[in-house]
Amino acid sequence: NAGVTQTPKFRILKIGQSMTLQCTQDMNHNYMYWYRQDPGMGLKLIYYSVGAGITDKGEVPNGYNVSRSTTEDFPLRLELAAPSQTSVYFCASSSAGTWGGEQYFGPGTRLTVT
Amino acid sequence: AQTVTQSQPEMSVQEAETVTLSCTYDTSENNYYLFWYKQPPSRQMILVIRQEAYKQQNATENRFSVNFQKAAKSFSLKISDSQLGDTAMYFCAFMPSAGTASKLTFGTGTRLQVTL
Repeated sequence: NAGVTQTPKFRILKIGQSMTLQCTQDMNHNYMYWYRQDPGMGLKLIYYSVGAGITDKGEVPNGYNVSRSTTEDFPLRLELAAPSQTSVYFCASSSAGTWGGEQYFGPGTRLTVT
Repeated sequence: AQTVTQSQPEMSVQEAETVTLSCTYDTSENNYYLFWYKQPPSRQMILVIRQEAYKQQNATENRFSVNFQKAAKSFSLKISDSQLGDTAMYFCAFMPSAGTASKLTFGTGTRLQVTL
């Protein structure tokens, strides 16, 4: 199993540009998450999904959108990129119904907005 | 809402020594889970250890153990026989047992440097 994969690994955007961060998991997990990690800080939840077609906001959703059309994929869309969105973005997944179950993380995408 | 506090931004330990990383949290819930994640320079988040709040026994995983004090809302991580490969950021995280989606709330992390 590849686990959780994310593309791209690095990206530089200009202010106002848009992009989609891709996330795919091959563990058949129902739950998926997007976090951002600012320098020197912990991870903060942006959006999460409990299954295909179901998404909800986390702690810091402004400026982002998500969709979940399949179990495997959970892309994160940035519209009108701003310098405040410079961060490292992590996608994670976990198995539904196992409270306290481990979240498996992807390798992260480092995004710089200039 | 829950909060997780890690008051030690940086720590250093010599190889083979023992180090303890602190974590406190605030919650009104009675049942929940606590985690320690390791983030080496590769950025990959790796689960180190997990504690279930309804279990009084402290969790252990090889050289890693926790001191869970529920009344004090404290969850410290002890690393014994420290190795150079333990050099990393360590994050404490909280997960409520109720609600949807097993969401995690993270602390700000402790950067651990293991030296020769």
